[in-house]
Amino acid sequence: AQSVTQLGSHVSVSEGALVLLRCNYSSSVPPYLFWYVQYPNQGLQLLLKYTSAATLVKGINGFEAEFKKSETSFHLTKPSAHMSDAAEYFCAVRYTGTASKLTFGTGTRLQVTL
Amino acid sequence: EPEVTQTPSHQVTQMGQEVILRCVPISNHLYFYWYRQILGQKVEFLVSFYNNEISEKSEIFDDQFSVERPDGSNFTLKIRSTKLEDSAMYFCASSELGASTDTQYFGPGTRLTVL
Repeated sequence: AQSVTQLGSHVSVSEGALVLLRCNYSSSVPPYLFWYVQYPNQGLQLLLKYTSAATLVKGINGFEAEFKKSETSFHLTKPSAHMSDAAEYFCAVRYTGTASKLTFGTGTRLQVTL
Repeated sequence: EPEVTQTPSHQVTQMGQEVILRCVPISNHLYFYWYRQILGQKVEFLVSFYNNEISEKSEIFDDQFSVERPDGSNFTLKIRSTKLEDSAMYFCASSELGASTDTQYFGPGTRLTVL
């Protein structure tokens, strides 16, 4: 069964520090991978997605993620955290098929401190 | 920028009552989805819908649940007889096409509280 694992339910970084949020997928076939962000009392917003065109994917708000097949990973990074990045981040996987569902990880809450 | 909207933002109901959650997908989108998120848990897929038919549903989506596109703009989720465990945030999503690479755009959610 398709799944993603997000290591760390809470991550705290200082403003200006590197952000690294981890996501590993389980799959016997190449997946499509997504990172969504959820700000308080808001819906899910797409940050970026991997669709096999390029292994390094750049998204909105300065985030990027690299697909590493050998490590079955799709970690999200940002060189310098801002206070406005504080939110919950969800990794999700999707497989080939029309109208196929997204399967989400458990989420990582990012806290940014001064 | 077009967005998915959902009403109401918060619904409180008594156990056993019927509720209808409403969504207006982005206007040129053809595929529609419902997900839910129980407090403190992961976002879970409920159902996908295309061309007035269910494309896929999860084991959560039992006979108590139904979906409908009653007109050209709304997409609804009905829970016939609510249970305490139905308390959750319900998200509607839509995508232009149904391809696996297509982005699903999410609404802000309806928080359902069953008492």
